[in-house]
Amino acid sequence: AQTVTQSQPEMSVQEAETVTLSCTYDTSESNYYLFWYKQPPSRQMILVIRQEAYKQQNATENRFSVNFQKAAKSFSLKISDSQLGDTAMYFCAFMRGGSNYKLTFGKGTLLTVNP
Amino acid sequence: NAGVMQNPRHLVRRRGQEARLRCSPMKGHSHVYWYRQLPEEGLKFMVYLQKENIIDESGMPKERFSAEFPKEGPSILRIQQVVRGDSAAYFCASSPPAGTGDGYTFGSGTRLTVV
Repeated sequence: AQTVTQSQPEMSVQEAETVTLSCTYDTSESNYYLFWYKQPPSRQMILVIRQEAYKQQNATENRFSVNFQKAAKSFSLKISDSQLGDTAMYFCAFMRGGSNYKLTFGKGTLLTVNP
Repeated sequence: NAGVMQNPRHLVRRRGQEARLRCSPMKGHSHVYWYRQLPEEGLKFMVYLQKENIIDESGMPKERFSAEFPKEGPSILRIQQVVRGDSAAYFCASSPPAGTGDGYTFGSGTRLTVV
């Protein structure tokens, strides 16, 4: 079974600064996908970024980028130029490749961006 | 193009009552998933359905919980004889045919409170 661990329950950052959220996972699979989801107070689960394990290049989406270390089973999220609207719970998630569909989530990191 | 629609947004039930949660997938999506989020936790997979078929219900409690996705109409998650421990946020997601995590879209969830 896969597990996803987020070791930072809470983090805070000043507006316009950079912050990195950590995630590690455990799997014996070689083909899989990793995700970061954002859950603001509205409770909506919003996909931030997605990484395919067979791609060595780290995914980026505007101010969001990941550091994917496959051998270390690490998948951290970097948020640059933090904005107040980035305040949310952030969940790291894992999905096996192939005809799979089940997301396994970490417990989340509450990020607060301070003005 | 409406996203995944869940209703109600909030639901209060007394112990012993039944709770019915509804989910209409995104247009063009034929796969529906239900997840449960307990306080201070990430989302946990419950069940995966296609039209008129339950594909995987490995995350569903064995008793009192059932799910369906009929040929016509929304998917329904039904909880009979609710107990306090059922209080949680229940999220529905939908996707095109499964496998890559592409297009996997969540609704805003239903917060169930059992009093």
